[in-house]
Amino acid sequence: NAGVTQTPKFQVLKTGQSMTLQCAQDMNHEYMSWYRQDPGMGLRLIHYSVGAGITDQGEVPNGYNVSRSTTEDFPLRLLSAAPSQTSVYFCASTGLAGDGYFGPGTRLLVL
Amino acid sequence: KQEVTQIPAALSVPEGENLVLNCSFTDSAIYNLQWFRQDPGKGLTSLLLIQSSQREQTSGRLNASLDKSSGRSTLYIAASQPGDSATYLCAVGLTGNQFYFGTGTSLTVIP
Repeated sequence: NAGVTQTPKFQVLKTGQSMTLQCAQDMNHEYMSWYRQDPGMGLRLIHYSVGAGITDQGEVPNGYNVSRSTTEDFPLRLLSAAPSQTSVYFCASTGLAGDGYFGPGTRLLVL
Repeated sequence: KQEVTQIPAALSVPEGENLVLNCSFTDSAIYNLQWFRQDPGKGLTSLLLIQSSQREQTSGRLNASLDKSSGRSTLYIAASQPGDSATYLCAVGLTGNQFYFGTGTSLTVIP
């Protein structure tokens, strides 16, 4: 049982480039979400999904897209990277008790 | 919008001391509250989950309490050890899926 996995662990992008952050969970959780963590601001919700085929926006969705084609996978797409998107990104899944399980994070640097 | 505040932002204590970390939230209509530990450059490790109907949860040297009416939670760490040094995050859960995080308390336990 690997829990929540994320790839890559670290990525450097140039402004304007696009990329996809991968997230997968093997706990059969319906709820999955993406957060970004910035110094002094805590984790903020970007997008979330309540099940395959259903996604919705969180607190800071601009510049990001998500899709949920399977229960296991929830990729986050940066359409045109900007320096303001330099952050640490965490994917999470939520169990039936509302308990959150977080991946190890992806550290993104946009130059 | 739910606002979550953690006090103090940083705490330094000698080994063996008992300590209390505080978390306050503005909207008492919560689903649950979860305490996490985050080591530098790492992901989030769940410590304790308290459902909205519960008053406290215990795990080993850790005890978390919840007072929904006053919008407060505390994390009590008994007999602190250098290995407890980390950042502790409080997350308020809404609808069992979305979490609102505080900015954390950075704890240093001095041997």
